[in-house]
Amino acid sequence: GESVGLHLPTLSVQEGDNSIINCAYSNSASDYFIWYKQESGKGPQFIIDIRSNMDKRQGQRVTVLLNKTVKHLSLQIAATQPGDSAVYFCAEIQGAQKLVFGQGTRLTINP
Amino acid sequence: NAGVMQNPRHLVRRRGQEARLRCSPMKGHSHVYWYRQLPEEGLKFMVYLQKENIIDESGMPKERFSAEFPKEGPSILRIQQVVRGDSAAYFCASSREANYGYTFGSGTRLTVV
Repeated sequence: GESVGLHLPTLSVQEGDNSIINCAYSNSASDYFIWYKQESGKGPQFIIDIRSNMDKRQGQRVTVLLNKTVKHLSLQIAATQPGDSAVYFCAEIQGAQKLVFGQGTRLTINP
Repeated sequence: NAGVMQNPRHLVRRRGQEARLRCSPMKGHSHVYWYRQLPEEGLKFMVYLQKENIIDESGMPKERFSAEFPKEGPSILRIQQVVRGDSAAYFCASSREANYGYTFGSGTRLTVV
């Protein structure tokens, strides 16, 4: 079936640097995407979302880019902090009722 | 304004026992979703419910698993005759509208011994 997948399972960056987490999706009909952050022992926490009629959306220190041509989504985190260490998931709404998650990327911020 | 409340946080069951996981949605939310997460994996959709109705159960195993969201009280995910493969974190999410504004609970970690 259709799925959302991530390119890299782990990512380490220096504190203060920018990080980019990538996600590929296969369902060209997907029109709504969400990035979640999951810290150890906790549930997913909403970070930012984007609809398919947009290419870019910015939040506080985070930017999501959507490239519909190659079905690629990315999350950019600026000036990373220790508290950014977590697993990040992209997810898409499929079939109007289901949130489909990718495998996840573990981001580690090195001091 | 409490978030999505799940209990228990941790649940240990022996093989063959029943597990009952509870989820109280956020106030004003009438849509509830259950997801399962295996270690080092993403969350997998199980079931979507509204009050007294199952809307989509396409992710639920055909046997031993059931879910309900009664008119009064929390949503319940029930696993009968648990097996070791049922060990996972089970997350509940709720929303005010369908497929928008999900809020997740902290999950129930089920361990089958």
